[in-house]
Amino acid sequence: DAKTTQPPSMDCAEGRAANLPCNHSTISGNEYVYWYRQIHSQGPQYIIHGLKNNETNEMASLIITEDRKSSTLILPHATLRDTAVYYCIVRVPDSSYKLIFGSGTRLLVRP
Amino acid sequence: DTAVSQTPKYLVTQMGNDKSIKCEQNLGHDTMYWYKQDSKKFLKIMFSYNNKELIINETVPNRFSPKSPDKAHLNLHINSLELGDSAVYFCASSPETYNEQFFGPGTRLTVL
Repeated sequence: DAKTTQPPSMDCAEGRAANLPCNHSTISGNEYVYWYRQIHSQGPQYIIHGLKNNETNEMASLIITEDRKSSTLILPHATLRDTAVYYCIVRVPDSSYKLIFGSGTRLLVRP
Repeated sequence: DTAVSQTPKYLVTQMGNDKSIKCEQNLGHDTMYWYKQDSKKFLKIMFSYNNKELIINETVPNRFSPKSPDKAHLNLHINSLELGDSAVYFCASSPETYNEQFFGPGTRLTVL
């Protein structure tokens, strides 16, 4: 699985957009980009995933660069409940491919 | 309805004991996983089962033995517990697309 690089921490003001970057310069053609988050003391929660097109769901938007070497997770209107560690993971969606969690980005949403 | 549940939520035990953690999912998924999150918060996969068959076994000591009586359950049995086994253990499941993994609330194991 490709390695990902994320800033260790970020913060944003409540109600503003949170933009979390991820570098995955060694991603291969069949690997998807996944985002999960872990709110304190809870199990990780799936947010969104994509291959090469930008994706949006009720939680977030995922912007993947054209060369697929980096991506950005956007939380359009961050709330205090979005304070969590966010993980960017690349993998092939297959039963034999592991979900490898790095150290993630600790996002603090300020009131 | 809880999608992925684990019992117990907390487990405190002495070194050398044998303990089990149970996991159940009511999502109809074929694939289930066990993860370990240590004190430094690194989350690592231990095992995955697909339809009761072991798919991933990540260099976990053989004191750890997963058991899948049916595809809705994946239990984790740990023999001869050691101090280093203290961690939070998460169970997860995923559908056939393998895009999402749904995690349980975790079991905090403390070995004294």
